[in-house]
Amino acid sequence: KNQVEQSPQSLIILEGKNCTLQCNYTVSPFSNLRWYKQDTGRGPVSLTIMTFSENTKSNGRYTATLDADTKQSSLHITASQLSDSASYICVVSEVGNNLFFGTGTRLTVIP
Amino acid sequence: EAGVAQSPRYKIIEKRQSVAFWCNPISGHATLYWYQQILGQGPKLLIQFQNNGVVDDSQLPKDRFSAERLKGVDSTLKIQPAKLEDSAVYLCASSEGQTATEAFFGQGTRLTVV
Repeated sequence: KNQVEQSPQSLIILEGKNCTLQCNYTVSPFSNLRWYKQDTGRGPVSLTIMTFSENTKSNGRYTATLDADTKQSSLHITASQLSDSASYICVVSEVGNNLFFGTGTRLTVIP
Repeated sequence: EAGVAQSPRYKIIEKRQSVAFWCNPISGHATLYWYQQILGQGPKLLIQFQNNGVVDDSQLPKDRFSAERLKGVDSTLKIQPAKLEDSAVYLCASSEGQTATEAFFGQGTRLTVV
C-alpha cells in the first residue's frame, strides 16, 4: 500500500533555531518527492522538488534531502523565522502521476 | 502568471443542503485535481481530470459528490446532500500534464456543514 508518513505531527521552536522534519514513504514506483508549505487558510505552495537521482536540494533557508534507498526525506529549516509557522506537507509522486500526501507537520515558531 | 482560482472562499450550509465549488486552473494546464482536506490531515484526492476526461475518481463518494470539467478548462465540484463529515477545505490544483512534476494549488474553499 502506498503511504507517506511524516514526523513529528507538530513542532514548536524558538525564532532563530533550526529544525528538521521527516518524511518516510512506501510509494512505488517512485517518480519524485515534493515538500509543500501550507499557510493557514491557503493552498499548499511548493518548496522543493526532488527526483530519484537528487540527494540534496536547497531553497533559501530550506534544505531537503532524499535517500531513495531507505525511502526517507527530510526538510531542514535554518534560522527559523516567525513566517515559517505553517504546515509542511510531503508529497510523493508515483510513476504515472498519482500523488500521495503525508498528513503534514505543523510548525510553530515563537519569538 | 495567474494562479489557480477558486470560489467561494468560505461556505456554511446546513446538512442535507447542496453546495457547489468552482475552480479555474492555470491557463494551459491539462490536468486538474480536486482534493478534500479535513482539519489536521493532508489533502485526499477526490477526482483527477485530464482535459475534460476523468482519470481517477476512485475516492469520490459518488452517491453525493459529482464533478465536471466541461470544455477542459473550468471545473465544478458539487455535494448533494451534504453531511456533517463533509466539513473540510476543498482544494483545486492543476498541472501541465499527467507527468508534470508539480501541481499548483488554489487557496481552497472552506466548507462548514452545520
